[in-house]
Amino acid sequence: EVQLLESGGDLVQPGGSLRLSCAASGFTFGNCGMTWVRQAPGLGLEWVSVISDDGTTTYFADSVRGRFSISRDNSNNTLYLQMSSLRAEDTGVYYCARGPVEKVGDNHNYNGMDVWGQGTTVTVSS
Amino acid sequence: DIVMTQSPLSLPVTPGEPASISCKSSQRLLHSNGLHYLDWYLQKAGQSPQLLIYLGSHRASGVPDRFSGSGSGTNFTLKISRVEADDAGVYYCMQGLQIPRTFGHGTKVEIK
Repeated sequence: EVQLLESGGDLVQPGGSLRLSCAASGFTFGNCGMTWVRQAPGLGLEWVSVISDDGTTTYFADSVRGRFSISRDNSNNTLYLQMSSLRAEDTGVYYCARGPVEKVGDNHNYNGMDVWGQGTTVTVSS
Repeated sequence: DIVMTQSPLSLPVTPGEPASISCKSSQRLLHSNGLHYLDWYLQKAGQSPQLLIYLGSHRASGVPDRFSGSGSGTNFTLKISRVEADDAGVYYCMQGLQIPRTFGHGTKVEIK
């Protein structure tokens, strides 16, 4: 079964740090770009960051650039989001998602974010 | 950043009737490869989002054929041919052409 399982969410004080993990199973993790999306309480979806299949290319939303980093361990099928200098506005549910790009042979196909985890909750509060 | 504008914000629908959601982007979503980088996601109450449509009109695996996506340039539409009770939730469009990816604010579909 294709699955993503996030962990690491917690209550943290403003200015603190946290590392989220996303364990992947049921598919060839190393062939897939991976994305983090978050959702503040009662609000819509916000794209946070993306990493390429080989981990060499990363991008961030302006709201987190310089404070968050994304990485992956393809040997252990795990995606990470390292968060530092956390602010109250970082509070929310963080989802990891497969995609939107998958490497197939020499091609990179855009398939949308087709598998999502259940989410992990980050609360930034004193 | 590309701004995504959805309408309506709320859509009450009767089971068996059609429904349509509009998504407009502030820039054209046409890539040089001829594809439109526009996705549709559904988030049911208490659940994670799920992909419905990618590249404007491609149904994701397992998505019923009553869902269809269309559009070009800056104007896109998600249509449900015959709404079912299980279709309730918030529908989001998202552009995949540029970084940062951006979502619309969502359309809440409520079943009458």
